[in-house]
Amino acid sequence: EAGVTQSPTHLIKTRGQQATLRCSPISGHTSVYWYQQALGLGLQFLLWYDEGEERNRGNFPPRFSGRQFPNYSSELNVNALELEDSALYLCASSLEASGHQETQYFGPGTRLLVL
Amino acid sequence: GDSVTQMEGPVTLSEEAFLTINCTYTATGYPSLFWYVQYPGEGLQLLLKATKADDKGSNKGFEATYRKETTSFHLEKGSVQVSDSAVYFCALSDSSSYKLIFGSGTRLLVRP
Repeated sequence: EAGVTQSPTHLIKTRGQQATLRCSPISGHTSVYWYQQALGLGLQFLLWYDEGEERNRGNFPPRFSGRQFPNYSSELNVNALELEDSALYLCASSLEASGHQETQYFGPGTRLLVL
Repeated sequence: GDSVTQMEGPVTLSEEAFLTINCTYTATGYPSLFWYVQYPGEGLQLLLKATKADDKGSNKGFEATYRKETTSFHLEKGSVQVSDSAVYFCALSDSSSYKLIFGSGTRLLVRP
């Protein structure tokens, strides 16, 4: 069974540009989560989508946004890129959000570099 | 708010040594607890989990017990291998928002 996939693996942008990151969850999973792993800041929760709706977002500015498609895949968009947005962006998926006991399975990540 | 505290790394051990990585948490309610491992250049892999007090999670020789009285979830392995070298993250799943809250990670280096 295929795991969580993310694309692209690497992305290089300049300040002010927009970045789009994509994630395909494990088949049968309806919840998708996005996390940022920035150097020195650890892993921080960004966004949670379930059944096409945004359920929760972390403490990030509105220029971080996303959506979930009918096939449960998801996009993360980062507008007006800043140097400090350089990080590894990890996507995770889980079965329906019926409880916090569900395991989140992670993809390999997209490494974003902002120059 | 909820939080997870892990011991500072790096932890350097010789092969076949005993491993303990300490993890304590602060949470309202009854979170689920997880250990994830990250190998160089990769994403996170679930190592083990426990969903209620006194549960023991185990996988690949690693174990951790959910201790509500001490709010701890320490990771242990009886005999480490060079291939266990990685960064280990302790995390809790918030019972209301379902997001994972991670510790800062502990880098483990196992020498032959």
